[in-house]
Parts: sequence; C-alpha cells; structure tokens
Amino acid sequence: DSGVTQTPKHLITATGQRVTLRCSPRSGDLSVYWYQQSLDQGLQFLIHYYNGEERAKGNILERFSAQQFPDLHSELNLSSLELGDSALYFCASSVSAPINEQFFGPGTRLTVL
Amino acid sequence: DAKTTQPNSMESNEEEPVHLPCNHSTISGTDYIHWYRQLPSQGPEYVIHGLTSNVNNRMASLAIAEDRKSSTLILHRATLRDAAVYYCILRDPGAGNMLTFGGGTRLMVKP
Repeated sequence: DSGVTQTPKHLITATGQRVTLRCSPRSGDLSVYWYQQSLDQGLQFLIHYYNGEERAKGNILERFSAQQFPDLHSELNLSSLELGDSALYFCASSVSAPINEQFFGPGTRLTVL
Repeated sequence: DAKTTQPNSMESNEEEPVHLPCNHSTISGTDYIHWYRQLPSQGPEYVIHGLTSNVNNRMASLAIAEDRKSSTLILHRATLRDAAVYYCILRDPGAGNMLTFGGGTRLMVKP
C-alpha cells in the first residue's frame, strides 16, 4: 500500500460526458502528479501540482483540467469524453525535493463507450 | 529528458539473479538514473536510483557504468512476485519533477 488513494476504482461512461477522478496523496506530500496509461501511448505524464499550484504540464488535452485543494487532495476533470480517453489514470505523490521517489496510487480505470 | 533503451522482454528462473540492462548514451551530467516497476494491475512502484556510484537497497542493486552511458538493475534472487514491467528513467532535477516512462522491460519469472 503506497498511501495514495484514488477513487473511483472503475468508471464507465459514454462519449461526450464529463467525469472527475479524485486522488488523496500520502500524508505530508505536497506534490501530486497525474499520469495516463493507455495501450497505444504507454504511461504519460499529464500534470503536476505542488501545494495547490500548477507546476508543470505534459501531454494533457485542453478538455482535461486538474486542481489541488487546500487539504492537498487533487481532482482530474475530463470532459467531452472520447473513446480514445479510455485508459488507466494514475495519481502519484511525493515530497517536494525533485529527485525523491513518487508513490503511485492504484489507478482509476476509465472506460468510455 | 534523455532517452533510454531497454529490451522489450526478459525471462528468468525463480531464485536466480536477474540483470536488467538500460542504455542511456545521451545522459547528461545532472541526470539521475531511476528504476520503477509496475506489477500487473498496479501502479508503478519505485525501485532504486543513483547518480554515479553503485547503489543497493532492500529491493535491488543498481550498477552504473563508469561513463554513465549504461546501467544495470540487479535482482539478486528473482521471485514470482518480481514479474513486472521495469522502467529505466533519467531525471534531471532542474527539468521538472515528472517521470518520463519509455516502454520498459517485461520480466517473466519461471517457477
């Protein structure tokens, strides 16, 4: 158990819909990262938040957005969903130092029908 | 991030040592070498990291070539639980905290 929790575990929805994925980092970790894992693209970094502020963006679509709240939990919002958005979405957390290890949650499996 | 090259897959027998290679010929002086692994149906998990010297921890050892253009993750006694995809990743502290995953090596462990 990494100490990072993600909800829900599975999500099935239809094209065009909007969903919110939730992540609670390990106690004391200020950084939260979101990654997407799909069969064709592998594991890709989406976005990084540190103590409520966006720090870096990766291959995140404009239809996707994220935020980190004062209690440090984070939400990833996916809108206008397409079939290709079906993937595993992982959240990771770490302490502030850049080389420290990242602890990954169990992931949310999103299926868009 | 500089690119890493790993074999797509490797096979090992249970309780034997496993050497997982990684080539990173374009590594810069500030890049750290990290290894993560992803067990089936789980999120990635940190294994080990190093800069220049060889490193040991409870999970594995990391052997880094003198010119730093390659490294090897060593599992001293593979168990069935070590069957996973192993990712070798270069991280520059000044270039952001994200992890850039390549294809990794799928390790299969035979009983």
